[in-house]
Amino acid sequence: EVHLVESGGGLVKPGGSLRLSCAASEFTFSSYSMNWVRQAPGKGLEWVSSISRSGDYIYYADSVKGRFTISRDNAENSLYLQMNSLRADDTAVYYCARDGGSYSLDYWGQGSLVTVSS
Amino acid sequence: DIQMTQSPSSLSASVGDRVTITCRASQGISNFLAWYQQKPGKVPKLLIYAASTLQSGVPSRFSGSGSGTDFTLTISSLQPEDVATYYCQKYNSAPRTFGQGTKVEIK
Repeated sequence: EVHLVESGGGLVKPGGSLRLSCAASEFTFSSYSMNWVRQAPGKGLEWVSSISRSGDYIYYADSVKGRFTISRDNAENSLYLQMNSLRADDTAVYYCARDGGSYSLDYWGQGSLVTVSS
Repeated sequence: DIQMTQSPSSLSASVGDRVTITCRASQGISNFLAWYQQKPGKVPKLLIYAASTLQSGVPSRFSGSGSGTDFTLTISSLQPEDVATYYCQKYNSAPRTFGQGTKVEIK
């Protein structure tokens, strides 16, 4: 069974930084594009970023462009999200999700809560 | 950017009812559309991809249709375990925008 486990969330002050990790197992990580999706408390889903299998192609939502950086380490089966210049409206549960063969999101992690507050 | 608009934003129906949720894209996206179910306090789950293909393990009472700009998710006979918020998402290109969600409750 595909397993995705996020870590690195927590409380950070506005303007601060945080790095999320997603450990993948039970599938060939290097064969799949990966994504970050977030959900603010009581709100809907928001796609944040995608990275291709080799990391050559990277995309961001306008809301995080220039502040967040997605990366991956295929040797370590890990996905990352470096978040800088954090704002209160970045407060959310952050999910990592795998692109299925059709590029829909077929497996999701349990999520990591990021709270931006002074 | 292409916007995704779902309707209704919420609905209440009886067990056994046929339920339909619509998703409209502001520009054509062919069939690059997925539907997700998120039960309260749970992680989103993929129900349908390519607009009408049922993900493995999803009950056959769920179905999807549409192409271009207009899409529908249908639950043929609503069950208590279907109480959830349903989201559409386009994935033909970035940004992979989600709809705002439709909350389904039992009457």
